[in-house]
Amino acid sequence: NAGVTQTPKFRILKIGQSMTLQCTQDMNHNYMYWYRQDPGMGLKLIYYSVGAGITDKGEVPNGYNVSRSTTEDFPLRLELAAPSQTSVYFCASRGTSGITDTQYFGPGTRLTVL
Amino acid sequence: QKEVEQDPGPLSVPEGAIVSLNCTYSNSAFQYFMWYRQYSRKGPELLMYTYSSGNKEDGRFTAQVDKSSKYISLFIRDSQPSDSATYLCAMRLSSASKIIFGSGTRLSIRP
Repeated sequence: NAGVTQTPKFRILKIGQSMTLQCTQDMNHNYMYWYRQDPGMGLKLIYYSVGAGITDKGEVPNGYNVSRSTTEDFPLRLELAAPSQTSVYFCASRGTSGITDTQYFGPGTRLTVL
Repeated sequence: QKEVEQDPGPLSVPEGAIVSLNCTYSNSAFQYFMWYRQYSRKGPELLMYTYSSGNKEDGRFTAQVDKSSKYISLFIRDSQPSDSATYLCAMRLSSASKIIFGSGTRLSIRP
């Protein structure tokens, strides 16, 4: 049981390049989330999804896009990378059974835009 | 005003001390309160979960929620060097799927 996996672990992009951050969960969770975490800061929600085919914006969606074609996968697309997108990106998933509000986080992707 | 305020620290205490971590919030509609622990270069993991007001204890950890004051706390007894991490408070509305996180407090336990 791998939980939430993210690829790549590290990436350096040049300004204006594009990339996709991959996220996969094997727990059959409906809810999935993308966060960014800047140094010394908390987690800012970028996008989230409550199920396949349904996505919605979080606090900081500008410059990003998502899709959710399957329950397992929730990729995050960066178009026209900017230095302000240098951050650590975490994907998370949450089930809907039980009362414990456990979000399971992936190990993160460290992105630098130069 | 931020929805959730948390002192960023860093907080450094000697091993064995009692640690108190706190958050305040502005939205009285929050019902679910959580504490996450994040080790360096890792993703956060859920440490404590509380619904509505009251206390919850799990081993050396106690979470308290005071909804009248809009204040939550995490106490760590007999702190260990392995407790050194960033602690993030988090909360959500009863009917929403989004969680709002505090900025995190960096804690260091000195041997």
